[in-house]
Amino acid sequence: DTAVSQTPKYLVTQMGNDKSIKCEQNLGHDTMYWYKQDSKKFLKIMFSYNNKELIINETVPNRFSPKSPDKAHLNLHINSLELGDSAVYFCASSQDHAPQPYNEQFFGPGTRLTVL
Amino acid sequence: GIQVEQSPPDLILQEGANSTLRCNFSDSVNNLQWFHQNPWGQLINLFYIPSGTKQNGRLSATTVATERYSLLYISSSQTTDSGVYFCAVDPGANSKLTFGKGITLSVRP
Repeated sequence: DTAVSQTPKYLVTQMGNDKSIKCEQNLGHDTMYWYKQDSKKFLKIMFSYNNKELIINETVPNRFSPKSPDKAHLNLHINSLELGDSAVYFCASSQDHAPQPYNEQFFGPGTRLTVL
Repeated sequence: GIQVEQSPPDLILQEGANSTLRCNFSDSVNNLQWFHQNPWGQLINLFYIPSGTKQNGRLSATTVATERYSLLYISSSQTTDSGVYFCAVDPGANSKLTFGKGITLSVRP
């Protein structure tokens, strides 16, 4: 009964390749997010979707494209991978409607991406 | 944007000791969360605490919203408490969490 799940857990690939990371939540939440954790463990928001609509799009290269086929899924596709894309990518979700605490975020287990 | 500062950056404790972790933020918030990132990389929700005080077992947290800080207390620390503790805040309606740099805690047996 995993709440927020991601696949794959590890991803090792060559520079220049295209890869996708999938995220699913079974909490019935309306909003989903992608965060990136760099090698110094700093976590930063990348995107958020509310009911399949893009809400937040931080300063992220347009090689990164999120896609939300339905409100339970948010995938992240990365084109032309670069060495600097190596990081841990976390998916998260929040309810964003009553009752409180509606905006508490819950995180998936992370996907460790290594670009060689 | 909002700034989040956590202190101390590193903390080493003997098992059984108590500790206080601090989070200062630069603007009013409508969400403040504490997370524990364990050695396997999982981000575990500890508290949702934009204001007030909460307790969960050996852990408790207090947020004084008017003074823009939050404290996480760990009592009778155990080796399984080791990891990185993050404070994250959201100042507005767009539900974007801004994280502090984290506090690395090592509890020695």
